Amino acid sequence: AQSVAQPEDQVNVAEGNPLTVKCTYSVSGNPYLFWYVQYPNRGLQFLLKYITGDNLVKGSYGFEAEFNKSQTSFHLKKPSALVSDSALYFCAVRDMANAGKSTFGDGTTLTVKP
Amino acid sequence: GAGVSQSPRYKVAKRGQDVALRCDPISGHVSLFWYQQALGQGPEFLTYFQNEAQLDKSGLPSDRFFAERPEGSVSTLKIQRTQQEDSAVYLCASSLGGGVYEQYFGPGTRLTVT
Repeated sequence: AQSVAQPEDQVNVAEGNPLTVKCTYSVSGNPYLFWYVQYPNRGLQFLLKYITGDNLVKGSYGFEAEFNKSQTSFHLKKPSALVSDSALYFCAVRDMANAGKSTFGDGTTLTVKP
Repeated sequence: GAGVSQSPRYKVAKRGQDVALRCDPISGHVSLFWYQQALGQGPEFLTYFQNEAQLDKSGLPSDRFFAERPEGSVSTLKIQRTQQEDSAVYLCASSLGGGVYEQYFGPGTRLTVT
């Protein structure tokens, strides 16, 4: 079975400060990892993914994430937060051996204050 | 370009009624996914199609749930004899394939069973 944990329901940061949204996962085999963002009244949008190779992946809107195999983590980061980054963020995992099924975390609400 | 569309956006059904939810994926996307999202939770996988073939239906909660994609494009999720616990947002996503490809989500259909 595969699972994702997002240990923080809410993350609050001040504009201009760095942000981290945490994600840990569990799969039987090797993982494909994804981050999605949901803005109010909008559908989920893809941010970035880790498939293989460099552990640091860069995505849309200045976001990046670091894959750590030993800690089974894939934390989302941004060096300088913007108020417009405020949204609901979801981490998702797929097992390479079961490439259709994605398992999502329960989401983390990011609030960036001016 | 056109994204994933879903209809209806909102559906109210009386307990025991049958409902049909439609998904129009992005043109050319081979894979199509259905998810159920309860309030405050992440999307839960229901089923996955590659073209017209339903490759994984392990997430369908009961035999009252049925999905089809007969021509490999539009998909319909049908729920028979709806129950109150079926109330949720039903999300459809499409992608170029499974595995490494990110998913593009529709706006969802909010189903309320009274």
